Amino acid sequence: QKEVEQNSGPLSVPEGAIASLNCTYSDRGSQSFFWYRQYSGKSPELIMSIYSNGDKEDGRFTAQLNKASQYVSLLIRDSQPSDSATYLCAVNIGGDMRFGAGTRLTVKP
Amino acid sequence: DTGVSQNPRHKITKRGQNVTFRCDPISEHNRLYWYRQTLGQGPEFLTYFQNEAQLEKSRLLSDRFSAERPKGSFSTLEIQRTEQGDSAMYLCASSFGGRVGEQFFGPGTRLTVL
Repeated sequence: QKEVEQNSGPLSVPEGAIASLNCTYSDRGSQSFFWYRQYSGKSPELIMSIYSNGDKEDGRFTAQLNKASQYVSLLIRDSQPSDSATYLCAVNIGGDMRFGAGTRLTVKP
Repeated sequence: DTGVSQNPRHKITKRGQNVTFRCDPISEHNRLYWYRQTLGQGPEFLTYFQNEAQLEKSRLLSDRFSAERPKGSFSTLEIQRTEQGDSAMYLCASSFGGRVGEQFFGPGTRLTVL
């Protein structure tokens, strides 16, 4: 079992829709979770961090964490073409980070 | 520009040669990470430093790879006797204090081994 698993996609949504990205992780001891966005040909950039169960909202982005189910998700409301990118789920395991393979999102105008 | 910088941005080398990459983190960041990323995959953890101490190295990492961070500032990653399978983007990231996961990435060094 991979440490961090994501649906590789591609995920395609129309402009203005909600995009839902999911991630599961294997280490029950993990305490901190992150979503990074990576545009094609660019480096990852942090968009959300979440440390406790529940929802965390930041603008159009909402991260959700369920430690019992070992599940993290990212919702993007009112999706824009500029949101088209690969979204990487990352989990802090013992001080270093483990990344999923990423989900490629395309927002169609 | 106070972001993370990496040099060179591109490196083409022949199989068997040694290569060295440099990373300059954000100045106040005490943690520095090296990752490798191939097409369609997320960044793969290689090693990280807290100040000048190398705290962890991936068990999957070959002995041909070595990293240093003298004086806790910039870091170098050396790959000896390169193989074609080493071709990848090598990413450096830094973070501050306890914010381990809130990392800032450099632009990467793309290595091509012929």
